[in-house]
Parts: sequence; C-alpha cells; structure tokens
Amino acid sequence: DTAVSQTPKYLVTQMGNDKSIKCEQNLGHDTMYWYKQDSKKFLKIMFSYNNKELIINETVPNRFSPKSPDKAHLNLHINSLELGDSAVYFCASSPPRGGYTFGSGTRLTVV
Amino acid sequence: GESVGLHLPTLSVQEGDNSIINCAYSNSASDYFIWYKQESGKGPQFIIDIRSNMDKRQGQRVTVLLNKTVKHLSLQIAATQPGDSAVYFCAENRAKAAGNKLTFGGGTRVLVKP
Repeated sequence: DTAVSQTPKYLVTQMGNDKSIKCEQNLGHDTMYWYKQDSKKFLKIMFSYNNKELIINETVPNRFSPKSPDKAHLNLHINSLELGDSAVYFCASSPPRGGYTFGSGTRLTVV
Repeated sequence: GESVGLHLPTLSVQEGDNSIINCAYSNSASDYFIWYKQESGKGPQFIIDIRSNMDKRQGQRVTVLLNKTVKHLSLQIAATQPGDSAVYFCAENRAKAAGNKLTFGGGTRVLVKP
C-alpha cells in the first residue's frame, strides 16, 4: 500500500498546454509538499500545505497553482507550460517536525 | 559538495569498504538534519536523522555525525553493498521555519564497484 502516490509517473506535453499532477498520502500527515528536481538533481521546495492551508510558496510562477481539497491530497496544476518546466516533480508529506515521505515522482517533459 | 557542471560529486567505493559522504550547511539556526537516499527513477528515501542536541546517531550500517562548530554533517555507510549505489542528499530544517521546510544539499552520487 503506497504511502505517497502521485500520478502520472511520466508526462510529455507541448509548450503552452495546461496539465495537472495528482498526489495522495495515506499516512495521516497534516503537511504536504511539492518539490522540483532539476537535471542536476537539485531539490527545491515549491509549496507546502498544512491541513489544506498554504504555508510556503517559494517564488513559484503564478502558472503553478496547488490545490488541496483535503489534507490527504495535494494536486499541482500548471498553466501555459514552458520548456523550462521540464523536471521531475515530487510530492511529499510529513508530520509536524519530522522527515518527509516522498512519492516516486512525475517526470514532466515539455516539447 | 557543490555540483560541477552537469555532474554530481561522485564517490566510488569498493564493495565491502566503508563510505563517508560529507555535507556542509550554512545556517547555524538549523537544528534538525536528515540524510536521504535516491535510487534511479525513485523518490528520495529517508535513511537517518539527527537533532542538534546530539553529535552522533547510529542506524543499521549507517552512522550520522554532526559537528555544529564547523557546520558539517557526514553519513558513514559500513560494508558498502551494491544496493547502496544511489544519490545521497543531506537536508536541514529549523524549528522556527514555517511549514517544516527542508532545505536540501546538492547530492553526492555513490557508485559501488564489485
């Protein structure tokens, strides 16, 4: 039973399209995150939600809009995709002051 | 360590030897540190953590050392196995940081030679 699951695993799309990535966790954690991993493997936080409330928005373009319908779900919608959005996006969840459990990632390729 | 161009710092180690991966952090207010392992095509996986009131913590075949004076963290892997081949990240957290934000280091690739 996967603790943090995100879909799809791979996403190939054209510039200018709008796409969504879904994430669900069954660990009962209050806090969920989106991280972006670039081609150099660098992991950078994008958003953090605590019990459906946005806590962190790390200077991410407005084209990226997270949505948390409940504390077990945090989805990421991206409008007007650009080539530079190509990366691996990871969802994660955590207890209040603990380590994260990550999903397996979504590799987004914008062509 | 710092990434150079497109390449991660790489540690090549013979199977059975011990590995030491180093990490420097810059924020003296950081009080919680975690090591993650990321295998190809997978998400980062928690290995071991340490809080700033400790300088050493041991797990199964892994030991984390924390030197707050020089802001340095290391991960030691005993008797390295082929399954240890992966990218390893250190991450830091501050008690007063909003949203339990973890800041990750640049990663070190470990290659285990048979």
